[in-house]
Amino acid sequence: EVQLVESGGGLVRPGESLRLSCAASGFTVSSNSMSWVRQAPGKGLEWVSLIYNGGATYYADSVRGRFTISRDTSKNILYLQMSSLRPEDTALYYCAREELNYDYYYYYMDVWGKGTTVTVSS
Amino acid sequence: SVLTQPPSVSGAPGQRVTISCTGSNSNIGAGFDVHWYQQLPGAAPKLLIFGNSNRPSGVPDRFSGSKSGTSASLAITGLQAEDEADYYCQSFDANLSGSRIFGGGTKLTVL
Repeated sequence: EVQLVESGGGLVRPGESLRLSCAASGFTVSSNSMSWVRQAPGKGLEWVSLIYNGGATYYADSVRGRFTISRDTSKNILYLQMSSLRPEDTALYYCAREELNYDYYYYYMDVWGKGTTVTVSS
Repeated sequence: SVLTQPPSVSGAPGQRVTISCTGSNSNIGAGFDVHWYQQLPGAAPKLLIFGNSNRPSGVPDRFSGSKSGTSASLAITGLQAEDEADYYCQSFDANLSGSRIFGGGTKLTVL
């Protein structure tokens, strides 16, 4: 069964760091493109970061320079290293697999985890 | 949000509702595809429509998507109580690094 399970969330103070993990089963993280998407309490979805299967990485303007996306091929895990955390980073963080439609060359998020909660507060 | 959705829509069981997703010439109007996600209360988002109008396996044909110009729409026919959820459109923007963008979401209430 294809599945994603996030972990690593918690309560941290502003300026601190946290690393989120997303363990995949049923498919290989490194063979797929993967995204992190977050949802602040009571708010909508916000794309955070992407790693293509080829390794290129991208970030939303709101996190660029503070967050780093990576993956561990041997463990089949996707990571999101978050530093210099701010109260506005408080959210439920989801990882999602980005499936590629080869006919028309577009990506869509076809598998989502249940999310892990990050709270940034003093 | 770069993509604009109505905050809420409602309908009675059995009725048809539509949810709009309005973008611009740098995203939907530029030819980028639109996807739709359903988020049931307390759950993770689930892929509902991909590539403007395609349904993943298991999604009822009561759900359909379309795209025209700088906008896209999600239609739900034969409304059922279990359709009550938040719905998000997603596309890509040529002006943004990484380019993935979401609409603000629409809360569907089944009366």
